[in-house]
Amino acid sequence: EPEVTQTPSHQVTQMGQEVILRCVPISNHLYFYWYRQILGQKVEFLVSFYNNEISEKSEIFDDQFSVERPDGSNFTLKIRSTKLEDSAMYFCASSESQTGANVLTFGAGSRLTVL
Amino acid sequence: AQKITQTQPGMFVQEKEAVTLDCTYDTSDPSYGLFWYKQPSSGEMIFLIYQGSYDQQNATEGRYSLNFQKARKSANLVISASQLGDSAMYFCAMREGPSQAGTALIFGKGTTLSVSS
Repeated sequence: EPEVTQTPSHQVTQMGQEVILRCVPISNHLYFYWYRQILGQKVEFLVSFYNNEISEKSEIFDDQFSVERPDGSNFTLKIRSTKLEDSAMYFCASSESQTGANVLTFGAGSRLTVL
Repeated sequence: AQKITQTQPGMFVQEKEAVTLDCTYDTSDPSYGLFWYKQPSSGEMIFLIYQGSYDQQNATEGRYSLNFQKARKSANLVISASQLGDSAMYFCAMREGPSQAGTALIFGKGTTLSVSS
């Protein structure tokens, strides 16, 4: 079964460092998303991406965050200068089409720990 | 205001019994979709079931069914014949707007389900 893959599974970084989280969406999917989940809390929307541009973003997705699809297969989330409160599980998701169901398939997540 | 409200932080059920996980939503858009996802302790998010706002019948997927009460704006998940492997966090989510992908799913805070033998 096709899946969304994310790397790394866990990253530890020092506050102020740049972090790049990588995702390979399902190959025929056209829409890509990043969500985050602070430990034990709700899953929060960060950004959605379609046709090589951001289609929607939340207030969490400030200037410290950026997304890119550098090579037609990878979809990356960059955090420029990490803060302690960026520690969370980051989920990438993708979806296929413009149907009403629009089921998002999630990756296994990348756990980011900022020290 | 919360778009998705899950009022049960934790639920406990015996194996083979049915359980209902509550979800209410808030939207003024006539077109929307409601989703349930399961998150086991391993952390991945697994899609369970979908209900569209214009669907006439309640959605069902195996042991999962969605009790959709549009006037009450509720979309409760019913799990029949609970199994030990159903122990997980369950999230209700909503997408607003007409059939256009790229609209973000907004999640509730989740309900932790514990199934005991």
